[in-house]
Amino acid sequence: DAMVIQNPRYQVTQFGKPVTLSCSQTLNHNVMYWYQQKSSQAPKLLFHYYDKDFNNEADTPDNFQSRRPNTSFCFLDIRSPGLGDAAMYLCATSKGAYGYTFGSGTRLTVV
Amino acid sequence: AQSVTQPDIHITVSEGASLELRCNYSYGATPYLFWYVQSPGQGLQLLLKYFSGDTLVQGIKGFEAEFKRSQSSFNLRKPSVHWSDAAEYFCAVGAKTSYDKVIFGPGTSLSVIP
Repeated sequence: DAMVIQNPRYQVTQFGKPVTLSCSQTLNHNVMYWYQQKSSQAPKLLFHYYDKDFNNEADTPDNFQSRRPNTSFCFLDIRSPGLGDAAMYLCATSKGAYGYTFGSGTRLTVV
Repeated sequence: AQSVTQPDIHITVSEGASLELRCNYSYGATPYLFWYVQSPGQGLQLLLKYFSGDTLVQGIKGFEAEFKRSQSSFNLRKPSVHWSDAAEYFCAVGAKTSYDKVIFGPGTSLSVIP
């Protein structure tokens, strides 16, 4: 089945140690999104790629960056994770209005 | 800019009772509207979505939602709640731009009493 896959499902990283989360899709969607969801809160959009064009939300910290080497893959890089960055990170894809699809998420713990 | 409000932070219902979760949106044009459900520690599952046409939308797991333009609302309903429906429910609005950025409401936590 076509889907959005996030790896790993759980990630533990040390305070200040760079970490990368990955997202892949078999849907051939041209838009990919990264959301951050902290405990008991709504998902918050960090940024998205429309094809190769990167679009950052105004309030996304500089500590968060992203790469999209091809249509299928998108990475979230956290350069220096702090305790406040512990959250569920959700990847989503879309191609027009009908195809908005979420992955299962990566839960990041910072120790 | 689009926004979504969910007035109820937490709702408790008895199993078998009916359910209505409220959602109000703000957007300058006709939006795309979604309801998602999230179980603890899990990702988001789409319950239903509205883009155009019939304002009463049927979804999975027996849920339905009604789009009311005059009230800027998209309330979620279920006639008989099951214990497995206990979860967090998010209403979301999508912008009709060159892409589709979905913005989420704060969520409503549903508890079901046996």
